[in-house]
Amino acid sequence: DSGVTQTPKHLITATGQRVTLRCSPRSGDLSVYWYQQSLDQGLQFLIQYYNGEERAKGNILERFSAQQFPDLHSELNLSSLELGDSALYFCASSAGPVSYEQYFGPGTRLTVT
Amino acid sequence: GNSVTQMEGPVTLSEEAFLTINCTYTATGYPSLFWYVQYPGEGLQLLLKATKADDKGSNKGFEATYRKETTSFHLEKGSVQVSDSAVYFCALILASGGYQKVTFGTGTKLQVIP
Repeated sequence: DSGVTQTPKHLITATGQRVTLRCSPRSGDLSVYWYQQSLDQGLQFLIQYYNGEERAKGNILERFSAQQFPDLHSELNLSSLELGDSALYFCASSAGPVSYEQYFGPGTRLTVT
Repeated sequence: GNSVTQMEGPVTLSEEAFLTINCTYTATGYPSLFWYVQYPGEGLQLLLKATKADDKGSNKGFEATYRKETTSFHLEKGSVQVSDSAVYFCALILASGGYQKVTFGTGTKLQVIP
């Protein structure tokens, strides 16, 4: 158990809909990272937040957004969903803004039908 | 840009066989290199890391050496077990100006049969 929690575990929704994925980092960690894992694209870094502020951006679509709240949990919002958004979404956390050790959550499996 | 290339899987080995999973990278600057492991139904776990050239990372019998001259970070284990069956990801992290960029390889699935 990494100490990172993600909810929900599974999500099934229709195209065009909007969903929110939630992540709670390990106790004491200030950075949260979001990743998308799909069969065709592999593991892609989406975005990082550190202590409430956006820190780094990867291959995140404009339809996706994230935020980190004062209690350090983070939410990833996915809107106007397409079939191709079906994937595993992982959250990871680390202590600082630049950290070589990231702890991954169990992931949320999103299926868009 | 930065990239990580891993050998295609799946790799199927018998128990106690020798394992090598190749990983090469391209990066601007001096990255740190990592191997992560993903067991079925779980998130990624850091397996080992090396932060500079010629460093050797090791953990649970796995080893990898940071080779700058060949831009490689191949994962090896002398004798695999059925419990090593998982997907292995090579990754690099470049830190610059207080920011970091993470790039993962596509993953290599390892299946160890008794």
